[in-house]
Amino acid sequence: NAGVTQTPKFQVLKTGQSMTLQCAQDMNHEYMSWYRQDPGMGLRLIHYSVGAGITDQGEVPNGYNVSRSTTEDFPLRLLSAAPSQTSVYFCASSYPSGGRAYGELFFGEGSRLTVL
Amino acid sequence: ILNVEQSPQSLHVQEGDSTNFTCSFPSSNFYALHWYRWETAKSPEALFVMTLNGDEKKKGRISATLNTKEGYSYLYIKGSQPEDSATYLCAFFQAGTALIFGKGTTLSVSS
Repeated sequence: NAGVTQTPKFQVLKTGQSMTLQCAQDMNHEYMSWYRQDPGMGLRLIHYSVGAGITDQGEVPNGYNVSRSTTEDFPLRLLSAAPSQTSVYFCASSYPSGGRAYGELFFGEGSRLTVL
Repeated sequence: ILNVEQSPQSLHVQEGDSTNFTCSFPSSNFYALHWYRWETAKSPEALFVMTLNGDEKKKGRISATLNTKEGYSYLYIKGSQPEDSATYLCAFFQAGTALIFGKGTTLSVSS
């Protein structure tokens, strides 16, 4: 059971380039999300999805795009990379736990992105 | 944007000390409060998911309490060990939103 798989683990981009961080989960989780980790800032939510075809913005969505065409996959696209997007990115998924609440998040191993 | 506050920001204790951290969150439209443990170079792992006012959860030497009316949760570690050194994150789930994290409390335990 692979859990949550993120690729790539490391990436270096030049300012203005675009790229996609891939996230896949094999637990049939409805809820998927992307966070970025910056020193002293904890985890900040970029975008999230509560099911296929449904996405919404989090705390820091600017410069990022997402789509959810299947339950398993939730890619994060950087449209035109900027140095401010240098960060570690985590994908996480979860399952409904009753009503509109969700259980604990299962995290991928993270993707370290550097934008020069 | 929800505001989830954690205190202290960092903490250094000796092996065997007991310690506790605080997580403050909005008290309206509460759905759930999560605690995670995050070791360096690893991914966060869930400790507790708490949903009811007055909830108390325990896992080994770590326990947590929840007060949804006043908007706070405490995480306690009894008899800290060096392997408890990590960043402890709380995350708040409010109706109609997604899971928002605090900035964490970083615990360092010296032997």
